Amino acid sequence: KNQVEQSPQSLIILEGKNCTLQCNYTVSPFSNLRWYKQDTGRGPVSLTIMTFSENTKSNGRYTATLDADTKQSSLHITASQLSDSASYICVVSAGNNNDMRFGAGTRLTVKP
Amino acid sequence: EADIYQTPRYLVIGTGKKITLECSQTMGHDKMYWYQQDPGMELHLIHYSYGVNSTEKGDLSSESTVSRIRTEHFPLTLESARPSHTSQYLCASSEYYDTQYFGPGTRLTVL
Repeated sequence: KNQVEQSPQSLIILEGKNCTLQCNYTVSPFSNLRWYKQDTGRGPVSLTIMTFSENTKSNGRYTATLDADTKQSSLHITASQLSDSASYICVVSAGNNNDMRFGAGTRLTVKP
Repeated sequence: EADIYQTPRYLVIGTGKKITLECSQTMGHDKMYWYQQDPGMELHLIHYSYGVNSTEKGDLSSESTVSRIRTEHFPLTLESARPSHTSQYLCASSEYYDTQYFGPGTRLTVL
């Protein structure tokens, strides 16, 4: 069982709408959590990084939240654009050596 | 835009061929990584390096090998490709344990 579970697996929304992607993890001890955006056929690009003491961080229309007690994170996308269509990957780092665990990603499709 | 490059972007080869996937970065990062990713699946770490002459195996067992003779270069080699090696291979680099920067990937198909 993957130590980082993401939901939903895929999501289709209309342009201009908001959406929220979920990430639950069992990785321990927790070091940090990152959200990446991966366009089709490209490598992932970092959106946000959150440490244990941070519970929210924004990057433009992207806002990530972290609840270290329940081991849950979410990525909220506001006013979606067609260019937001991509896979969004949650990555949790553990331990002193920052051993990284990747979620399988949520495939977001934004339609006009 | 990260300065990390992978070649080739796409490769279709026959079984038994030897291949080398190239990865180069111009950011001077010490740490470099190779990941394998099947469609719709999570990335799996297959190799990483802390610096020149350092190479380690990742979580996913792989028949590939890597070398790190120069800081900026981290090639991955398959001595005898098989259909089971068909996948996307992503290279990344980072400064210490900072955010990783990924290359565009190489999509490998072994017939």
